[in-house]
Amino acid sequence: DIVMTQSPLSLPVTPGEPASISCRSSESLRSTNGDYYLDWYLQKPGQSPQLLIYLSSNRASGVPDRFSGSGSGTDFTLKISRVEAEDVGVYYCMQGLQHPLTFGGGTKVEIK
Amino acid sequence: EVQLVASGGDLVQPGGSLRLSCAASGFSLRNHWMHWVRQTPGKGLVWVSRVKSDGRTTWYADSVKGRFAVSRDDAKNTMYLEMNSLRVEDTAVYYCARDATWAGAAMDVWGQGTTVTVS
Repeated sequence: DIVMTQSPLSLPVTPGEPASISCRSSESLRSTNGDYYLDWYLQKPGQSPQLLIYLSSNRASGVPDRFSGSGSGTDFTLKISRVEAEDVGVYYCMQGLQHPLTFGGGTKVEIK
Repeated sequence: EVQLVASGGDLVQPGGSLRLSCAASGFSLRNHWMHWVRQTPGKGLVWVSRVKSDGRTTWYADSVKGRFAVSRDDAKNTMYLEMNSLRVEDTAVYYCARDATWAGAAMDVWGQGTTVTVS
């Protein structure tokens, strides 16, 4: 199975400041079509997860442009250019390259 | 509006069975692959299963293989997760989610979750 490792575990942030979350996979997530099968989700308190970024760098519909994803191979990053109060919650990366699909352990973002 | 509504969660004894439902609206399950994902209280997300749009091709996590089965009723536009030989460690909130299909395995629509307690 592909192991997904996120860091940090917890991320206190100041509104208006940038934030960055790292996700590393135990194997390359590059598909035969050249896409990287890495997605990012946010689970706000008391809610279901919501898709933020798909295929490493594509924002899902309705996601603010302060969120961006990058990376290739085994190293990926989610960046928030200017954190807002509504961005608090747990962020998960997920690999969709092979079954079983696997999630990272999550990064809890909270306001300082 | 595109929506998924999960239901059927309950308290069940170890060794028992349960069937979860995931009713879709605003789109047809015949056109989308679908997932089940679970979350143990206070813990992270764990993928459980995936079913292709044909309704017959399925994949399962090793922890549930042989015990859980996904099915679909196209007339009701509803997906099911049949759970047998339940174990204490199956206790979790179960989410159904739509596979975006055009985006790898990304899940672009999620249900609200239904709680299964095995005790």
